[in-house]
Amino acid sequence: EAGVVQSPRYKIIEKKQPVAFWCNPISGHNTLYWYRQNLGQGPELLIRYENEEAVDDSQLPKDRFSAERLKGVDSTLKIQPAELGDSAVYLCASSFGQGNEKLFFGSGTQLSVL
Amino acid sequence: DAKTTQPNSMESNEEEPVHLPCNHSTISGTDYIHWYRQLPSQGPEYVIHGLTSNVNNRMASLAIAEDRKSSTLILHRATLRDAAVYYCILRDAYNAGNMLTFGGGTRLMVKP
Repeated sequence: EAGVVQSPRYKIIEKKQPVAFWCNPISGHNTLYWYRQNLGQGPELLIRYENEEAVDDSQLPKDRFSAERLKGVDSTLKIQPAELGDSAVYLCASSFGQGNEKLFFGSGTQLSVL
Repeated sequence: DAKTTQPNSMESNEEEPVHLPCNHSTISGTDYIHWYRQLPSQGPEYVIHGLTSNVNNRMASLAIAEDRKSSTLILHRATLRDAAVYYCILRDAYNAGNMLTFGGGTRLMVKP
């Protein structure tokens, strides 16, 4: 069974440019998460979806970040415009429900903003 | 949210057991103890979780103190592939909005 798939694996852009990350969760997983991981730190939650509804986006910087999960499957995270401080690894995870359900993570997209 | 405290780093020799400690003195009665690990250039992966009793699976064992204020992840025979950052996380299973909140974790280095 395929795991969580993210693309691209790496992205290098100049500041003020837009960028988008794509995530395909494990089939049947209705909960999807986007995390950001700065170098040397643990991942931090940006947004959580239950099916197509964003149920927790309190940590998402809404002035420049946006996300969508159309049809409750794939998801896209966008940054516009990107800033130098946005350089990080962006991780997508999915789970079958909440509670103690295991989270399955993708390999992430490493973003470098120059 | 209840917090966890872990050493920043630990070293182990290959094929020896490794005990990774975690302190969580403010744990609540409905908090489960979860462990995830993150191999280099990969996303985190689930290792094990428990509530009160010790737990075993094919990856590791989890020993939970009787007062639940600390726990230890045990790798019975460390291999070079176990070199990773290990995260100890408390998760309230009865709080629908409770997320997996990562701390800094313990970086485990395994020497051949």
